[in-house]
This record gives sequence, structure tokens and C-alpha cells, in this order.
Amino acid sequence: NAGVMQNPRHLVRRRGQEARLRCSPMKGHSHVYWYRQLPEEGLKFMVYLQKENIIDESGMPKERFSAEFPKEGPSILRIQQVVRGDSAAYFCASSPPGPQAYTEAFFGQGTRLTVV
Amino acid sequence: QKEVEQNSGPLSVPEGAIASLNCTYSDRGSQSFFWYRQYSGKSPELIMSIYSNGDKEDGRFTAQLNKASQYVSLLIRDSQPSDSATYLCAVNGGSSNTGKLIFGQGTTLQVKP
Repeated sequence: NAGVMQNPRHLVRRRGQEARLRCSPMKGHSHVYWYRQLPEEGLKFMVYLQKENIIDESGMPKERFSAEFPKEGPSILRIQQVVRGDSAAYFCASSPPGPQAYTEAFFGQGTRLTVV
Repeated sequence: QKEVEQNSGPLSVPEGAIASLNCTYSDRGSQSFFWYRQYSGKSPELIMSIYSNGDKEDGRFTAQLNKASQYVSLLIRDSQPSDSATYLCAVNGGSSNTGKLIFGQGTTLQVKP
């Protein structure tokens, strides 16, 4: 049973370009969470999605960032017009169906975004 | 006050000793508590979850929860050099009733041979 799959593992973008980060949850998991880890900082929640629904986006920056989890295919975190401050590790976590307040989440390997 | 607080360390223990990692949280409505291990440059790996007051043991790891004191701890017995990593305390986001996790800054553990 494959774990949470993220790609690409490393992504380099020039300032002003768009970055697209993909996450395929573990088999049987229907809940996807995105977190960001800035250098030397802790993990910060960004957004929580179920298929075709954004449940909680309270951690998403107001501009340039968006996320989706379509009916078919992986979840996508999209960053438009990237700036150097967007350089970070972006982790996706997934969890199975059930009461989310008590559910364990498992992380993918992350995408390391570098903006040059 | 930070929502989830951990001593950043580094915590240094000799091989074979017990390592004790601590975490406090501010939201009394928090319902589930997790410890993740993160090696440098890698992703967080879930090592323990705990939901009710008391102790939960899994191999060399014991998680302890005291909701009245809003305190979670992780004990690692017979510490090994391979345990050297950053340990992240994560708390379920209380009143949101979702799986949203609030993480502490992490404690760096160094186990010296």
C-alpha cells in the first residue's frame, strides 16, 4: 500500500512564475491536508480538503495561493507569481474517513520549493 | 501565548538513557495529541497518538497526557543514536473538530554514543 505521494520532490521557480504541487493520498484516504514548513520553523496548517470540497482554508495566504482536490486525480496546491518568501517545504498529509478529530494523519515526502 | 509549546533544545542524552520530551497546549477543547519524528530534510513520521488521560506505551515509546494540566509528554527508553531527530508535538485543532493539526516548534534530540 503506497503512502502519500507528492511530486515533484524538488521544484525550482523564478520569481513571478507559477508553482503546482501535487499530492495523491494513501489508498482509502479521503481527507487531504497541506502544511508549509519554512526554514528553521515549524509546520503550519494551510488547507483541508475532501473530494471537490475545501473544508478549511484558514491557513492559506489570502492572495496567490489556491488548492483543489478534484473528483479524479491528485490534490493540487497552486502558487501564482511566486516570491522568494514562498521558498519552503510543502507537505501533504492524508487521513482515512471517520471522525477527523481522532484520526491519524500520514505525511508525504514533501515538495521543496526554491524560488530564485 | 503560543498554541503548542515545546522546548526547542537541543536535548542531549547518552545512549541507553531515557529521553523526556514535553509539550504544553493552550486549547482546552483539543481532543487528540500526536508525536511525530522528523529527521533533517525528511518528512514527519507519526510515532504515537494519544486521546485520553494517562499513559500509552508502544515499544520503547511512552506518551503521557494530562488534560487538566494541558500537558503531553513523550518518553523514549533505551535511547539510540538513530533516535536523534526533531520531535514534533501536534494537537488536533480543538473546536474546529477537523483533523487540522497545530504543531509545536519541535524539540531536537541528540543521542550520544
